[in-house]
Amino acid sequence: DIQMTQSPSSLSASVGDRVTITCRASQGIRNDLGWYQQKPGKAPKRLIYAASNLQGGVPSRFSGSGSGTEFTLTISNLQPEDFATYYCLQHNSYPRTFGQGTKVEI
Amino acid sequence: EVQLVESGGDLVQPGGSLRLSCAASGFTFNTYWMSWVRQAPGKGLEWVANIKLDGSEKHYVDSVKDRFTISRDNAKNSLYLQMNSLRAEDTAVYYCARGGGPIDYWGQGTLVTVSS
Repeated sequence: DIQMTQSPSSLSASVGDRVTITCRASQGIRNDLGWYQQKPGKAPKRLIYAASNLQGGVPSRFSGSGSGTEFTLTISNLQPEDFATYYCLQHNSYPRTFGQGTKVEI
Repeated sequence: EVQLVESGGDLVQPGGSLRLSCAASGFTFNTYWMSWVRQAPGKGLEWVANIKLDGSEKHYVDSVKDRFTISRDNAKNSLYLQMNSLRAEDTAVYYCARGGGPIDYWGQGTLVTVSS
């Protein structure tokens, strides 16, 4: 199985900050990775697909980069509605695996 | 608008069975792989299973193999998850999701609680 190691597990930030979250894959997954945002009691919402492509309707302050084994999600100019938990998901091989999640707190 | 509506979650005793359903609308159902993903209370997301467009290919996480069965009815635009031999560790919100690799849309989830 491919392990997705996400870091940090949580972080504290302020409105206007730039935040970076990392996912490392235990083996190469090309760019077969997505990033998701989840707010308490809600379903996840996709932000980024194919590692670096912005999902339609998602603000441009979200960006993704990386390929192979190292991936990052960056939120520039953090907004109040961005406080949530973020997950990466690899779909290169089975079983599909998520990172452990990163909780972004005020 | 893509809509995925899960149903069937309930309280069930260990060893029991349950069948989850997902009603899909707003897209051409038979042109998408579909998935189930679960989330235990206070925990992260776990991929459970997916199924190909025509149901001819299915994949499962090891922890549910031989206990859970994913299926679909394209005529009814519906996805199912038959869960047998349920264990306490299967307690979770179960999400129906569109896509088998890249997942793009998710339902709101249905809660399955396994407890005596």
